[in-house]
Amino acid sequence: SQKIEQNSEALNIQEGKTATLTCNYTNYSPAYLQWYRQDPGRGPVFLLLIRENEKEKRKERLKVTFDTTLKQSLFHITASQPADSATYLCALPISGGYQKVTFGTGTKLQVIP
Amino acid sequence: DTAVSQTPKYLVTQMGNDKSIKCEQNLGHDTMYWYKQDSKKFLKIMFSYNNKELIINETVPNRFSPKSPDKAHLNLHINSLELGDSAVYFCASSQEVAGGQDTQYFGPGTRLTVL
Repeated sequence: SQKIEQNSEALNIQEGKTATLTCNYTNYSPAYLQWYRQDPGRGPVFLLLIRENEKEKRKERLKVTFDTTLKQSLFHITASQPADSATYLCALPISGGYQKVTFGTGTKLQVIP
Repeated sequence: DTAVSQTPKYLVTQMGNDKSIKCEQNLGHDTMYWYKQDSKKFLKIMFSYNNKELIINETVPNRFSPKSPDKAHLNLHINSLELGDSAVYFCASSQEVAGGQDTQYFGPGTRLTVL
């Protein structure tokens, strides 16, 4: 069956360092992959979308890679700041008659000043 | 201007009651969703409507009944509430693009507590 995995353990890093979060998937080939940020008590907010023919996408301090051979996406935040502390979710379309987006369990990032 | 709004923000009720959550989007999107986020923070899709038509109906008890009066609104009615229904319910919307659905825009969530 199709599965999405994110590191469920919290990631703690020092301010100024690069945070790297991982999203792995199995048993299918998504046309694109999305990353969202969720703050406590709020709904997820879209950050980046990367398509299967794109290796890398950047937006300000954010960078996403998409390796369709490894079935993995990496999400990087460079020069991390305490304000980057949140839970980050990856999301992929899973086919089933009508495409729907399915979310990973999320990784909680804590940036320590 | 709120893109996706939900009411109420908090809902505390007794077991066995019936309650509704309302959602509205002003983005002009064709598709709307209901998600449930449990205590472990897993975000699971429940329903999806495209132009007022039900297109995704996951394995959800039939006590949950969505209703879309028009493409800007998607409401969720829950009958005979149970303790296990306690969760945060998120409404979302998206626009269909070539190859599938585009970015999802989420509402602020409704925290339902069943006592």
